[in-house]
Order: sequence, then structure tokens, then C-alpha cells
Amino acid sequence: DAGVTQSPTHLIKTRGQHVTLRCSPISGHKSVSWYQQVLGQGPQFIFQYYEKEERGRGNFPDRFSARQFPNYSSELNVNALLLGDSALYLCASTTGGLNYGYTFGSGTRLTVV
Amino acid sequence: EDQVTQSPEALRLQEGESSSLNCSYTVSGLRGLFWYRQDPGKGPEFLFTLYSAGEEKEKERLKATLTKKESFLHITAPKPEDSATYLCAETNQAGTALIFGKGTTLSVSS
Repeated sequence: DAGVTQSPTHLIKTRGQHVTLRCSPISGHKSVSWYQQVLGQGPQFIFQYYEKEERGRGNFPDRFSARQFPNYSSELNVNALLLGDSALYLCASTTGGLNYGYTFGSGTRLTVV
Repeated sequence: EDQVTQSPEALRLQEGESSSLNCSYTVSGLRGLFWYRQDPGKGPEFLFTLYSAGEEKEKERLKATLTKKESFLHITAPKPEDSATYLCAETNQAGTALIFGKGTTLSVSS
């Protein structure tokens, strides 16, 4: 079975640009979450979506937005990129509640120059 | 504020030298304590979920335990392939997110 797939794997953007990251969950998983991981830190929660509805939002500015599609795949959008947005962006999926455990993708490495 | 603290930040072991990693959490009414392994440039790989004090789970050379305030990841007779960053996380009070610690980077030399 395919795991959580994310695209692209690497990305270089210029300050002020916009970026879209994509995630396909494990088949049958209806919940997708996004995390940002800066080098040397643990992942930090950005969004959770379940059945196409936002269920949770972390402490990130409005430049960050996301959505989930009818096939449960998801996009994370970041506007007006800053140097500090450079990080590994992780997508995770689960069947439902958190207590079932999350499966993470390999992430998208975003570098803002 | 919910917080997860891991110690030590880094740990160097010789092959076969057993040790433990610590994770302290602050969420009252714990809904789940998670351990993940992360290799460089990869996403976290799920290891264990613990739900109640006294619970223990094992997988190969790893054993996770849980008390009311802490969790421990015991590594018995580690091998170089166990070298990775080990992340601990708890569920936030809303049940919508994982709160991660900074991780413990384990290096095992032969």
C-alpha cells in the first residue's frame, strides 16, 4: 500500500512568492494534518482537516492556508514567503481521531531565498 | 500552555550499551503519548502510542513506558542502525494536533 505521498520533495522560492504543497493520504484515511519542522526542532502543528472541514489550526499567520478535496488529498498554501518559512513541511494522515496514530509523509523541503 | 520536554538533546552510545530517553508532558487528562523515529531528511516514523500510566509497549530493542508525568523510551543493546532522532508527542487538549518535543538525537557507534 502506498503511504502518505507529498509533492514536490524539494522547492526553492524567492521571498514574497507564493507556494502550494500537495499531499495524498493513505487510502481510507479521511483526516490530513500539516506540520512545519524547522531544523533542530520538533514538528509544529499548522492545520488539521477531517472530511474536508478544518478541525484545528496552529499558531501560524494568515499567510498559511489549506484545504482538503473530496478525495481527501490536501493542499497547503503559503503566501508572501519569508526567509523564516524555510523548513520541512510534513503531511500526516489518520483514519479519524488522533488516538489512532498519525502516518507522516517524507515531507517537502522548502527553501526561501 | 501544553508542553513536551525531551532529554537529553543528544546521546552517544556504544553498540550494546543500553540507555533511556525521557519525555515529560504537561497536558492534563492525557489522550495519547506518541513516540516517533525520524531519520535525516525523512518524515517521522510511528513507533508507539501509550494511553494510560503503567502501560508498556515493545518493538525489537525499544520499549516505551508511561507514568502520570513522564514517558521513557528504553533502548536495549542498541545497534548503529538505531541511530536517529526520537520524537515524543502528546495530543493537545482539543484532540486536534500533536505537540512535539524537540527530540533526542541518538548516535550508536560500533
